[in-house]
Amino acid sequence: EAEVAQSPRYKITEKSQAVAFWCDPISGHATLYWYRQILGQGPELLVQFQDESVVDDSQLPKDRFSAERLKGVDSTLKIQPAELGDSAMYLCASSPKVGQGIPGSTFGSGTRLTVV
Amino acid sequence: KQEVTQIPAALSVPEGENLVLNCSFTDSAIYNLQWFRQDPGKGLTSLLLIQSSQREQTSGRLNASLDKSSGRSTLYIAASQPGDSATYLCAVDRGSTLGRLYFGRGTQLTVWP
Repeated sequence: EAEVAQSPRYKITEKSQAVAFWCDPISGHATLYWYRQILGQGPELLVQFQDESVVDDSQLPKDRFSAERLKGVDSTLKIQPAELGDSAMYLCASSPKVGQGIPGSTFGSGTRLTVV
Repeated sequence: KQEVTQIPAALSVPEGENLVLNCSFTDSAIYNLQWFRQDPGKGLTSLLLIQSSQREQTSGRLNASLDKSSGRSTLYIAASQPGDSATYLCAVDRGSTLGRLYFGRGTQLTVWP
């Protein structure tokens, strides 16, 4: 069964340091999402790509967060500098274009970030 | 903005009970509704997806219904088992936002033997 791959699985970093997360979506999925989930809450969208283009980054703290999907396949989310409040689960998901596959989003296992 | 609410926030039941988890959303112009399961510290596993033209979906002991006009979905779990213990999340997308999901806070389910 096709999966969304994410790495690393866990990351501990000191505040003010840089950190990066990687995601490889299901092959052929045009849309890729990065969500952030704070403990006890539901995931919230940070950024959404359609192929290599950003279609929604309205909730991305652009002073410290950046995301790219250069070839429209895998993606990297970066935080620089990390703050204590960034501690959360970072989830990547992908979905096909309408009419091009089984609908709905498939999520990866996530990256648990702890900022100390 | 789409708001999604899940009730109850937590549920603890003995094994074998039939369960009802509720989800409500404020904007009825949705495209898909998905139910997910999340184990502690893990990612999300999709359980059921109901498209806007559908009213329900079934998978094994799980059945989900959708009433767009009232802005509600219900997840039924039949004959609950300890392995069903997890957090269950409801999410909707608006179609116009290319699949972006709006999530509730989840229902934390504990099934004890």
